[in-house]
Formats: sequence, structure tokens, C-alpha cells
Amino acid sequence: GAGVSQSPRYKVAKRGQDVALRCDPISGHVSLFWYQQALGQGPEFLTYFQNEAQLDKSGLPSDRFFAERPEGSVSTLKIQRTQQEDSAVYLCASSLGSVRFFGPGTRLTVL
Amino acid sequence: RKEVEQDPGPFNVPEGATVAFNCTYSNSASQSFFWYRQDCRKEPKLLMSVYSSGNEDGRFTAQLNRASQYISLLIRDSKLSDSATYLCVVTSGSSNTGKLIFGQGTTLQVKP
Repeated sequence: GAGVSQSPRYKVAKRGQDVALRCDPISGHVSLFWYQQALGQGPEFLTYFQNEAQLDKSGLPSDRFFAERPEGSVSTLKIQRTQQEDSAVYLCASSLGSVRFFGPGTRLTVL
Repeated sequence: RKEVEQDPGPFNVPEGATVAFNCTYSNSASQSFFWYRQDCRKEPKLLMSVYSSGNEDGRFTAQLNRASQYISLLIRDSKLSDSATYLCVVTSGSSNTGKLIFGQGTTLQVKP
């Protein structure tokens, strides 16, 4: 389909392990957003890209979190030395105008 | 205090009922307002934008009161398929590039 795709859909990591989550936005979408959604909560903003430029990373919870979008399309969210509190669904969204289209998310469980 | 506050519910209503959800936001500079719908273990999807003049889409009516910083969603003639979590959302900054600020969500269960 032509929607936002994310991989992997599920990831189980041991505490201390590094993980990388991938987002493929809708082709041509300039804006890309990452959100973190804990169980029973609404999504929380992490970071925003316009093309390859990371214009806002104010929501990244610690320096263990790093995101990139080197060619202005695919984006990767990396979490180093995962902790149990990192367990959540990580949602990626892309947009050309005002409507955001969300991907299905990656469910990360840190044991 | 959260920037966008909603009653998490759950709201349990019979089919055909009318149900209303409310939400308040704290940042008076917020510019755009939305309701998103999220089904269990799925991604959020835009339900409708919210305008000061009020707007309607079929059985759904959304209203914004900027003075009170209050947003509402009314669902008439509830269907079983309306069961979901409804997320109140405001943007910080431009509607195109601003980050979406989500409420906790209000869970609706429509019973037969």
C-alpha cells in the first residue's frame, strides 16, 4: 500500500541492548514525526524532520535516543542501552500539508 | 499538569445513544485542533478538524471554545463500530509543521 510503514512491528530487547526502529514515510512527504505512546496514554512527541533536517528534537527523553533521516525519506530512531521505561509503541507519522498519516507503530518491550 | 486534558472514561453507552466528550488545553497560543480516533492496537487516524464556528461530519459534531480553551466532540446515534479511543489533539505552532500534542484519550464502548 501507499501508507507509512514501520519495521519491525514488534521488538523485544534485553535491558542494555541497542535497538533501531525504521520508518518509511509516504513518498513525497516532506515532514516526518516520531511519537512514543505508553500503555493507556496518548502519543508523546519525540522529534520532527523537514526533509533531512531535524528541526525539533525537544521531545527526546534522553541522550540515549537518536533519530536521523539522512536522505530526507526513510528515518531511523535509535535507542541505546534500552531501559524498561523505554517500553512503548513508537509511532512514525508523515505529512505534506496539515494532515498527519501515522504508521502502524513498533511495539518495543524491554525485559 | 498535562497540556491537553481528557477524561479517560471508559464511557459505556447503548447503541443509538448520544455521547459527548470534552477536553481542555492549557496553551492559549495553540492554533489548530483535531479529534483523532484510535482503535485498539492500531495507529491514530484523523477523525475531524475542529473550528471555532463548529463543524459537523455526519453523526459527529466538534466544537471549539477558544475563550475557555475547551474542545468537544458529540456523537449521535452511536454505532457498535464507534467503539474506540478518541484523542483530543492541539498543535503547537503551524498546522503543517507544528507538533501534535495529544490528550490521554477517552475510551468509548458502545454496547448492543
